[in-house]
Amino acid sequence: RKEVEQDPGPFNVPEGATVAFNCTYSNSASQSFFWYRQDCRKEPKLLMSVYSSGNEDGRFTAQLNRASQYISLLIRDSKLSDSATYLCVVMTGFQKLVFGTGTRLLVSP
Amino acid sequence: NAGVMQNPRHLVRRRGQEARLRCSPMKGHSHVYWYRQLPEEGLKFMVYLQKENIIDESGMPKERFSAEFPKEGPSILRIQQVVRGDSAAYFCASSPRRDSGTEAFFGQGTRLTVV
Repeated sequence: RKEVEQDPGPFNVPEGATVAFNCTYSNSASQSFFWYRQDCRKEPKLLMSVYSSGNEDGRFTAQLNRASQYISLLIRDSKLSDSATYLCVVMTGFQKLVFGTGTRLLVSP
Repeated sequence: NAGVMQNPRHLVRRRGQEARLRCSPMKGHSHVYWYRQLPEEGLKFMVYLQKENIIDESGMPKERFSAEFPKEGPSILRIQQVVRGDSAAYFCASSPRRDSGTEAFFGQGTRLTVV
């Protein structure tokens, strides 16, 4: 079983749609969780950290369920510029960052 | 405060040559990670280093690959006797001193092409 699993997609949605990505992780001792965004042929960039209480940043909402070892990202009112690959990232012991393979999002006009 | 700097951005090597990839972390960051991304695939962890120490190299191939992060100077990922399968984007990331929950910042990557 992979340490971090994501649906690779692609998710094709129209502008204005709401889309949700899910991620599961296998290491119950994982300490911290993040969503990164990667544009084609660019470096990953932090989108947001994920907290147990859930957190929101504008149109983006992230949630963590430690009991189920499950992380989610919700994007509301999708924009064309949201088209990218979204990477679920888990920090294990000793600060090792483990990446999921990413979920590709395509937002169309 | 400059971001994570990687050089070169693009590197072409013939089979059998050596490739040296450099990464200068952000100022004040003492943790460096190296990742490899094959075309159309996700990032694969290679190695995690602190100054003068390799903390976790579980993702490094057993042969031809080595990494260091000396007391002075950038972190170096070295690939000896490159083969076509080594062609990939190699990303370096850095983070500050050990602090749970701190995200890592990525460099722009080095795209290695082996011909």
